[in-house]
Amino acid sequence: EAQVTQNPRYLITVTGKKLTVTCSQNMNHEYMSWYRQDPGLGLRQIYYSMNVEVTDKGDVPEGYKVSRKEKRNFPLILESPSPNQTSLYFCASSPILAGGYTFGSGTRLTVV
Amino acid sequence: QKEVEQNSGPLSVPEGAIASLNCTYSDRVSQSFFWYRQYSGKSPELIMSIYSNGDKEDGRFTAQLNKASQYVSLLIRDSQPSDSATYLCAVYGNKLVFGAGTILRVKS
Repeated sequence: EAQVTQNPRYLITVTGKKLTVTCSQNMNHEYMSWYRQDPGLGLRQIYYSMNVEVTDKGDVPEGYKVSRKEKRNFPLILESPSPNQTSLYFCASSPILAGGYTFGSGTRLTVV
Repeated sequence: QKEVEQNSGPLSVPEGAIASLNCTYSDRVSQSFFWYRQYSGKSPELIMSIYSNGDKEDGRFTAQLNKASQYVSLLIRDSQPSDSATYLCAVYGNKLVFGAGTILRVKS
């Protein structure tokens, strides 16, 4: 089944404790992206990647890091999480730059 | 002005009616337009894409694009309670930008 897989689905952590949210797609898509979704603010892009080793900042990159060492994987790293990073996070992938994204199931992160 | 604007709703329609969802965008060079459906607690699901002016139909869904007016809409015919969800408009100019979504409620 073609899909984007994120893990974990739910995560509660404490301020400052480094964490990684994994994302993997099995569709051989070039483009991958991370979004956060907050009530009233909609989906906002954190980082995106156009290919292996090619990443760029989205609209809200502060406090996040990403890497794209393999085409299928695009992990999101929070090196020192803070409470304002409590949000619902989605990984997504697309075969072309201007194409529609397929989204993962989401990761609900709470930072206390 | 937001880059992609949608009425937040909720838009309430009776079962069997046509639901009309609207979206305006500010970037005149936008080239790709998408509608996503998002059920509560779930991820967005792509339901329609449209790239040129006019209408595009897929089952009960019709997407309409008017680039001159910078307006894209989604019509859902014969609305069903299972269509109750938040509908997100997304527009690609030099990046993909999402609207905040319109809540649709279909009453049986």
